[in-house]
Amino acid sequence: NAGVTQTPKFQVLKTGQSMTLQCAQDMNHNSMYWYRQDPGMGLRLIYYSASEGTTDKGEVPNGYNVSRLNKREFSLRLESAAPSQTSVYFCASSEATALAGGDEQFFGPGTRLTVL
Amino acid sequence: QKEVEQNSGPLSVPEGAIASLNCTYSDRGSQSFFWYRQYSGKSPELIMFIYSNGDKEDGRFTAQLNKASQYVSLLIRDSQPSDSATYLCAVAQYNFNKFYFGSGTKLNVKP
Repeated sequence: NAGVTQTPKFQVLKTGQSMTLQCAQDMNHNSMYWYRQDPGMGLRLIYYSASEGTTDKGEVPNGYNVSRLNKREFSLRLESAAPSQTSVYFCASSEATALAGGDEQFFGPGTRLTVL
Repeated sequence: QKEVEQNSGPLSVPEGAIASLNCTYSDRGSQSFFWYRQYSGKSPELIMFIYSNGDKEDGRFTAQLNKASQYVSLLIRDSQPSDSATYLCAVAQYNFNKFYFGSGTKLNVKP
């Protein structure tokens, strides 16, 4: 099993450009998540999907959109990138349909995004 | 006020010592508590979770939870250089979208 995979690993964008970060998991997990990690800020939840066909906002959703294409795939789109979106983006998945009581999240390797 | 607070460190301990990592949280409704380890340039991986007051042990790791004080800690016994990493505390409410990570504590274990 590959676990959680993310593409691309690195990306440089110019301000105003758009792009989609791809995430896939092969563990048959119900829930999937997108986080960003900035120095000194820890991981912040952008969006999550508790099941196929549902998505909800997390702590920092502004400037992002997501699509839960099927049970395996959860993509994150930046429509008009801004320098403030320079960050490391992690996708994660977990088995449960709701995060309660010890639900382990498995993280992908991350995407390092720079917006100039 | 941040939802989850951690001392950023670095915390330096000699090999074989006990490393004590601490975390406080602001929301009394929090129900689940996690410790993740993150090596530099890598993704976080779960070490332990706890949701009842008291201690939970797993090998060299012990998680401690005190809900009255809104305090979670992680003890690492017999620290090894391979334990050198950033340790992230995460807190979740039953309502899923309230799930917060601390900024992490960097641990250095010196041989």
